[in-house]
Amino acid sequence: LAKTTQPISMDSYEGQEVNITCSHNNIATNDYITWYQQFPSQGPRFIIQGYKTKVTNEVASLFIPADRKSSTLSLPRVSLSDTAVYYCLVGAGDTDKLIFGTGTRLQVFP
Amino acid sequence: EPEVTQTPSHQVTQMGQEVILRCVPISNHLYFYWYRQILGQKVEFLVSFYNNEISEKSEIFDDQFSVERPDGSNFTLKIRSTKLEDSAMYFCASSGMRDQETQYFGPGTRLLVL
Repeated sequence: LAKTTQPISMDSYEGQEVNITCSHNNIATNDYITWYQQFPSQGPRFIIQGYKTKVTNEVASLFIPADRKSSTLSLPRVSLSDTAVYYCLVGAGDTDKLIFGTGTRLQVFP
Repeated sequence: EPEVTQTPSHQVTQMGQEVILRCVPISNHLYFYWYRQILGQKVEFLVSFYNNEISEKSEIFDDQFSVERPDGSNFTLKIRSTKLEDSAMYFCASSGMRDQETQYFGPGTRLLVL
């Protein structure tokens, strides 16, 4: 299983762009990269998923370099409600379980 | 937007008692999961379920745990004889397909074992 490493915490201010980078050096050829968001006492919520290059949706963008050994979640113009824990997950390919790490705790200040 | 629902939202029980946590997955999904999160810790995989049988389970999912899909809509997690260390948030999730497919999580059931 590909292990992921991401910063334990990040701080930002409202209106700023936040980039959270995740490293996954052992990613397998058929693995996708998925990011989830979790608020306290709530279930994880899917944000975005990608395989390579760039993916964008209404919430975030995901940048994946050619070697796929890392990925960056970009949250444009964060608000206080984006304060949460963000998890980077890499698919195991031969299993359907999600392996969550400790995530990145993002704190947005006014 | 369709969502996964879970009941109850909170459950308090005495050690040794049986509890059943209930989930209604998204209606056209075929894969169902249970995860748990002990306070302040990581989200941990417990079990996955497909075609009326367990497809994968973790070492946490011992003989005290069982899952069932009693009808076409519900998916349940039973803990036969609860222990103090079973206190956690329990999340149900579902997906349309396995393997790389997005899993959609419910709001969770907070279980407290006294």
